[in-house]
Amino acid sequence: ILNVEQSPQSLHVQEGDSTNFTCSFPSSNFYALHWYRWETAKSPEALFVMTLNGDEKKKGRISATLNTKEGYSYLYIKGSQPEDSATYLCAPGHNQGGKLIFGQGTELSVKP
Amino acid sequence: NAGVTQTPKFQVLKTGQSMTLQCAQDMNHEYMSWYRQDPGMGLRLIHYSVGAGITDQGEVPNGYNVSRSTTEDFPLRLLSAAPSQTSVYFCASSYLGTLNYGYTFGSGTRLTVV
Repeated sequence: ILNVEQSPQSLHVQEGDSTNFTCSFPSSNFYALHWYRWETAKSPEALFVMTLNGDEKKKGRISATLNTKEGYSYLYIKGSQPEDSATYLCAPGHNQGGKLIFGQGTELSVKP
Repeated sequence: NAGVTQTPKFQVLKTGQSMTLQCAQDMNHEYMSWYRQDPGMGLRLIHYSVGAGITDQGEVPNGYNVSRSTTEDFPLRLLSAAPSQTSVYFCASSYLGTLNYGYTFGSGTRLTVV
């Protein structure tokens, strides 16, 4: 079973603040790293799928970087808005079979 | 295009009862999986399938059975419900092979075992 760690567990920021979270995972046999956004009472939605060392992805104010050699990924949110409040999950995949093991997530709360 | 459809949305079972949670997708995804969500535990993988006729165990398979007779459907069976199986269950699907595609999740089934 993969050991996936996300930090911090929760984060409370003010509107306009920029923030970042970390996802750590075993670097051996790495294949892909997924980030998901999960709003309360909804289903998780895919944000990014990253496969290459040094990969960077961006969607609006949210971006992510990947270091496969050391086994970590950062998710950045620039100028947080209340609608960014959600739990952000990362999930590394270590084979081509599609199986993902999720971290426990970082719960972000953005206050207006 | 409905995506991933889970039924029922809510269910209350008595200890020892059995039931089947349904999951269907219309995107021709090869890969399907079941997760359970518990407070403080995140999403834990129960069972998964890489295609019709092929299933495998995830992190927490005990007490659950699955089968995959068609590409579209991946039901999860609780053989004898226990209070420890009270949880929210999510079905997810994706294209297979490259892990370059994000999962599509269903809306979840909230199960309470009393």
